[in-house]
Order: sequence, then C-alpha cells, then structure tokens
Amino acid sequence: EAGVAQSPRYKIIEKRQSVAFWCNPISGHATLYWYQQILGQGPKLLIQFQNNGVVDDSQLPKDRFSAERLKGVDSTLKIQPAKLEDSAVYLCASSLPAPGTSGRGQYEQYFGPGTRLTVT
Amino acid sequence: AQRVTQPEKLLSVFKGAPVELKCNYSYSGSPELFWYVQYSRQRLQLLLRHISRESIKGFTADLNKGETSFHLKKPFAQEEDSAMYYCALSGREYFGNEKLTFGTGTRLTIIP
Repeated sequence: EAGVAQSPRYKIIEKRQSVAFWCNPISGHATLYWYQQILGQGPKLLIQFQNNGVVDDSQLPKDRFSAERLKGVDSTLKIQPAKLEDSAVYLCASSLPAPGTSGRGQYEQYFGPGTRLTVT
Repeated sequence: AQRVTQPEKLLSVFKGAPVELKCNYSYSGSPELFWYVQYSRQRLQLLLRHISRESIKGFTADLNKGETSFHLKKPFAQEEDSAMYYCALSGREYFGNEKLTFGTGTRLTIIP
C-alpha cells in the first residue's frame, strides 16, 4: 500500500512569514497526527484528528499554528507568523480506526517522510 | 502526565556484542510501550510493542512495571542495526485518545 505522503520536503522561510504543510494519509486511516520534531528531541504531538474532528490539540500553539482536515482525508498544517524556534521537522502520521474504539489499544502509526522547516 | 526517558543519546557497540537501549517511563495508569526505529534516509517505523511480546529483527523488550522500564535488547548486534531508536508510551488521556509520547531517542552505531 502507498505510504503517508507529505509536501514539501524542505522549506526555508524568514521569520514572520507564513508556511503551510500538506499531508495525505494512508487510504482508510481514520486517525491523522501532526508531530513537531526539533533537532535532538523526539517527536512531539501537535494535533490529532479522528476523521475530520480534533481529538487532541493541547500542545498546538494556537496563536500561530492551525490545522484542518476538512473532508477527513488530507490535512494541512499552517504556521503564521513563523518564529525562529519553529525550525524543525514536521511529521505526519496516520493509523487505522480510531485508537481505543475496539479495546485493542494504540494502533500502529505510519509516518510520512517529514517536512524540514528552516526559519531564518 | 506521561514521560519517557532515554538516558543515552549515543551508544556504540561492536558487531556481535550484546545491545541494550534503556527506556524508563512515568505514567500513573496502565501504559502501552513501543520502540520505533528510524534507519538512515528512511521513515520512522514501529519496531515492536510490548503487548505483542514478539522478537523483531532479533530485538526483544520486556515491560517491567516495578522498575517502570522497557529496555530494548539484542544478544548479537549486526551492522544493519545502526539507526535512531525511540521509546514511546501510549497512555489513555480519555476514551478514544491514546496519546503517544516519545523519548528523545538513542543513536545506535554498530562498529564493524
């Protein structure tokens, strides 16, 4: 099966500019995640969607970050305006039917290649 | 709150020697633990999960609730094991949301 697709792969912007990332999950995967991975750290969950609804966005800096998954398939993550500390790899992941709904616990998350953002 | 600690950022092991990557966690409930791996120029992918209790690529990991640890082990290292390894914990914040928290990762290098 085709994997999670992300674009662009690399992006360089100046601080205070805006940027958007796109993710296409694996077909049939109801749950979609956006992670931020700063150099030297593990991925940190920014937002989790179940179909087109937000399950968790507690770590999303909502004053500058926004995300949507309007039709329950593709998703976009936007940063406006960007700050130097937003330089990171942004990972998208997807998983099968919503975690916990079958009592089987966390489903395996499949990750995309990531978008490396550099803010200068 | 959920927390995962991987104390070693870097680990170098000779080929054929045993490997142990350490992972400790903090979570008040009943967690699910995972090891994810990222090989050079590849995507982050699941290596194994504690509920499966299986060996993948010769690696095993046992959940020790008393010590709150989930160390990854392999008796004989191979060159292809060189990669970045992340320990992760899934704890249910509320029904339907099993939030995955990652450690900072350990870069394993196998010396030929």
